Amino acid sequence: EVQLVESGGNLVQPGGSLRLSCAASGFTFSTYWMSWVRQAPGKGLEWVANIKDDGSAKYYVDSVKGRFTISRDNAKNSLSLQMNSLRAEDTAVYFCAKGTGASHWGQGTLVTVSS
Amino acid sequence: EVVMTQSPLSLPVTLGQPASISCRSSQSLVSSDGNTYLNWFQQRPGQSPRRLIYKVSNRDSGVPDRFSGSGSGTDFTLKISRVEAEDVGVYYCMQGTHSPPWTFGPGTKVDIK
Repeated sequence: EVQLVESGGNLVQPGGSLRLSCAASGFTFSTYWMSWVRQAPGKGLEWVANIKDDGSAKYYVDSVKGRFTISRDNAKNSLSLQMNSLRAEDTAVYFCAKGTGASHWGQGTLVTVSS
Repeated sequence: EVVMTQSPLSLPVTLGQPASISCRSSQSLVSSDGNTYLNWFQQRPGQSPRRLIYKVSNRDSGVPDRFSGSGSGTDFTLKISRVEAEDVGVYYCMQGTHSPPWTFGPGTKVDIK
């Protein structure tokens, strides 16, 4: 059974940093693209970033370019999102999702950016 | 960037009756490989999204056959043949043809009359 478990969400001040993690199991992690998708409170879904199976390609939504970094450790079946220079508008539940078609999602982790 | 629109944004339905959600893209979603990467997701209250349909019309494992997807080019439809109480939630279409970025529709909220 595919499982994706996010962690690392927290309350952080504007301008601060946070690192999210996603632990994957139940599939061959190293052969799938992985993505982060976020959902602001009461709002819809927004793709944030994705990374190729071997980590050789990474893409970001314009609003996080230069501030967020997606990475992965295929030996540990782990996906990460380093978030710097956080803004109030980054407040959201962050989900990791499997594959280019988002076939499976984790339960999400809440990031709140507020003073 | 491809813009996805959905209609209606709110859909009150009667139990046992059919429901239909429309999704339109600002440009054709036919990929250079011949596939159309249009997916549908269901998000029940308080839960994470769940994929129902991939590549327009393929149901994911475990998805009831009352859910079906159709369409081509820029116009797509998700149909529920007979709505059940567990179908309450928000439904999103998403395109992966012209990515990055993936883009999602605004969501259609389905609830029971």
